[in-house]
Amino acid sequence: EIVLTQSPGTLSLSPGERATLSCRASQRVSSSYLAWYQQKPGQAPRLLIYGASSRATGIPDRFSGSGSGTDFILTISRLEPEDFAVYYCQQYGSSRFTFGPGTKVDIK
Amino acid sequence: EVQLVETGGGLIQPGGSLRLSCAASGFTVSGNYMSWVRQAPGKGLEWVSVFYSGESTFYADSVKGRFTVSRDNSKNTLYLQMNSLRVEDTAVYYCARDGGAWAFDIWGQGTMVTVSS
Repeated sequence: EIVLTQSPGTLSLSPGERATLSCRASQRVSSSYLAWYQQKPGQAPRLLIYGASSRATGIPDRFSGSGSGTDFILTISRLEPEDFAVYYCQQYGSSRFTFGPGTKVDIK
Repeated sequence: EVQLVETGGGLIQPGGSLRLSCAASGFTVSGNYMSWVRQAPGKGLEWVSVFYSGESTFYADSVKGRFTVSRDNSKNTLYLQMNSLRVEDTAVYYCARDGGAWAFDIWGQGTMVTVSS
């Protein structure tokens, strides 16, 4: 089973700053099978990025994804007030899905 | 409107059974890969099971042998039968659609399952 590790656990930033979130896999992940989600308290997760770098429908272009192999990055170019949330990476492999533990982006 | 609505959660004693439902609208469950994902209070997301359009199913090791996913195409509904429930199964259970890119593009609002004596 592929294990995903996310860092940092918490990222404290101010609106307007750049956020860089890391997702590392214990084995190689096909870029086609790596996704990122945003979750706010009391809400279901929302798909941001699929295929490592493709934005989902309606996602602003300040969100971007990159990476390959075992290391993937979610970048938020300029944080808006509504971006403070928890972010999860997710991979698919061997007919199963796994999520990372999440990175919380909070207001500094 | 494309949406998923889960129902069936509640308080159940350890060892008990519960069946969750996920009604889809705006698309067909039979034409999509559908998963259940859960989230324990204050914790992260955990994938639980998937029902592929070809009728094959897969489960997380933590629920294998206890949970069964099924669907009723005539009702456009996905189900999760949960048996031998444990305290650690306490969570919000979401159903989610795989949008064709091995990522979940549509989520329900979730239904809370509490396993406690």
